[in-house]
This record gives sequence, C-alpha cells and structure tokens, in this order.
Amino acid sequence: GENVEQHPSTLSVQEGDSAVIKCTYSDSASNYFPWYKQELGKGPQLIIDIRSNVGEKKDQRIAVTLNKTAKHFSLHITETQPEDSAVYFCAATPWALNFGKGTSLLVTP
Amino acid sequence: GAVVSQHPSWVICKSGTSVKIECRSLDFQATTMFWYRQFPKQSLMLMATSNEGSKATYEQGVEKDKFLINHASLTLSTLTVTSAHPEDSSFYICSAAPQSSTDTQYFGPGTRLTVL
Repeated sequence: GENVEQHPSTLSVQEGDSAVIKCTYSDSASNYFPWYKQELGKGPQLIIDIRSNVGEKKDQRIAVTLNKTAKHFSLHITETQPEDSAVYFCAATPWALNFGKGTSLLVTP
Repeated sequence: GAVVSQHPSWVICKSGTSVKIECRSLDFQATTMFWYRQFPKQSLMLMATSNEGSKATYEQGVEKDKFLINHASLTLSTLTVTSAHPEDSSFYICSAAPQSSTDTQYFGPGTRLTVL
C-alpha cells in the first residue's frame, strides 16, 4: 500500500516568512496529491491539490510542487500570517487517501 | 461549494449505548463517502469507505459489526457506533467525494464522541 512520510512534524516561523512542508510517497501509481489544513477541533479543509500531470500549482500565497521521479511533493506558504497557524496534512492516492502524520505550523507575530 | 456537514458536532453517551453520526454533502452528490477516526495530535485513520446503495468496505482492524455504516442516498451517510465503550471515544470525521471528481475529498467538521 501507499506510505506517505511528512516532514517536519513541527514548524515555527515568524510572520511574513515562508514555510515549506515536504512529503514523500512510495506508490508510483499515486496520481493525486491534496493538502489539508486542520484547525483545532475542526475537520480538515482542502487548501490546494495537484495531479500527476502537473509539476506546480499556485493559489495566491500557497503553492504545491510535485516531483514524480523522486516521489515527493511540497507545500509552500509565502508571507505567512498568524491565521496560517494550524496542522497541515499531505495525502497521496491512486484511490483512497493516505495521509502523512501532519505538520503543526506556528506563525508568530 | 463542496460543503459537508456532520451531526452532531459532539455527543456524550453512557457505556453500552449506541450513537449515530450523520454526514451530509450539502451542495453536491457524493457517490463515495469515507469515515475517519482521529486521536489527539495524530493523523486521520481511515475506517471505512461507503458507496451509495452498497455495503461499506472496512479497513483492516475495524469491526464492521461495531461501526455500522449506511449510505442510503447520494447525500447522506451514517455511522453508528454500537455498544459504545470508553475506548471508542474519539473524533470521527467523514468526507465525501463529488461525482465530478471522485478522488477529491471534502471533509465534514467532525464529531467529538465521549463515552463515559
């Protein structure tokens, strides 16, 4: 089955700096890679996703890059704000979502 | 768009009772819905996948007789925790995949279950 590794487990940045979270996957058949943001006590919210036929996707301050050869993908958040503080999960799937263990991001003012 | 609701948002019950959690896709039809369980500071663990009109597929280690799943329509799936025990206390989250994009999952807000 698919195995998704996510790093780092915790990340602290100052407001305005960039944050990068990286994930690797094992199943070469995986073709869909979403990123979710989860605030305390709430369900995960889809923030951006990328499919295997695309190498990069950007949505305002958030971008995702995918390297299929190396089987890794990354989330980039620029100009971070305190409200970006949350747990971020990556996932990969040829069918069912396999989640990484999450990254707790703290943005300090 | 792509809103998923869950009800109730939290529930406290006595040991031995059964609890039903509803998951609804509000503005889209979902052929497939998923149920996850999440322990504090941990990732989401897939419990089962349900397809409208058919039996749910349970992940290894999940007791199907304890966690009953019904997916009666394209917008509603229910999870019933039968004979709940304190170890069943957890955060239960559902997700729904739109018919138009079956690999994209939109999550509900979760249900906090506490079994006394």
